[in-house]
Amino acid sequence: DSGVTQTPKHLITATGQRVTLRCSPRSGDLSVYWYQQSLDQGLQFLIQYYNGEERAKGNILERFSAQQFPDLHSELNLSSLELGDSALYFCASSVEERIGDIQYFGAGTRLSVL
Amino acid sequence: GQNIDQPTEMTATEGAIVQINCTYQTSGFNGLFWYQQHAGEAPTFLSYNVLDGLEEKGRFSSFLSRSKGYSYLLLKELQMKDSASYLCAVRSSGGSYIPTFGRGTSLIVHP
Repeated sequence: DSGVTQTPKHLITATGQRVTLRCSPRSGDLSVYWYQQSLDQGLQFLIQYYNGEERAKGNILERFSAQQFPDLHSELNLSSLELGDSALYFCASSVEERIGDIQYFGAGTRLSVL
Repeated sequence: GQNIDQPTEMTATEGAIVQINCTYQTSGFNGLFWYQQHAGEAPTFLSYNVLDGLEEKGRFSSFLSRSKGYSYLLLKELQMKDSASYLCAVRSSGGSYIPTFGRGTSLIVHP
C-alpha cells in the first residue's frame, strides 16, 4: 500500500458526460500528479499541483481540469467524455520538488466511456 | 525533449537472471527511476539512480551510465510474481521535476 488513495476504483459512464476522480496523497506529501495510461500509450503526465497551486502541465486536454484543495487532496474533472478517454487514471504524490524526490502511485481509477 | 527506449517484451525462466535495458536521450539529467507495474495495478517504485554505478536492493539491482545514456534493471532468482511491466523513467534538468516514462518492458516469467 503506497498510502495514496484514489476513488472510485471503477467508473463506467457514457459519452458526453462529466466525471470527477479523487485523490488523497500520502501524509506529508505536498505534490500531487495526475497520469493517464491507455493500452496504446505509456504513462502520460497530465498535470501537477504543489501545495495548492498548479505547477506543471503535460498533455492535458482542455476538457480536463484539476485542482488541489487546502487539505491537499486533489480532484481531476473530465468533461464531454469521448470513447478515447477510456483509460486508467493514476494519481501520484511526493514530498516536495527536489532532485531525488520519489513519486508514489495510487491504485488508479479505471474509466470506461461507453 | 526526451526519448526513452526499452524493449517491448522479454521472457525468462523461473530462477534465472534477466537484464532489462533502458536507453535515453535528454537535455540534462536529474535521475532515472525504475518502477514495476502489474497489469491493471499501480506502478511501484523499485529504484532511483542519479550517479553512475550499481545500486543493489535485494534481488533487484539497477545500473546507470550517464555518459552512455544507459541504464539496466537486473532481476535475480526470478519468481513467477516478477511477471510484470517494468517502467524506466528519466527526470531531466531545466526546472521541471516531472519524470518522463518509457513505454515499459513486459516481462513474462515461465516455469
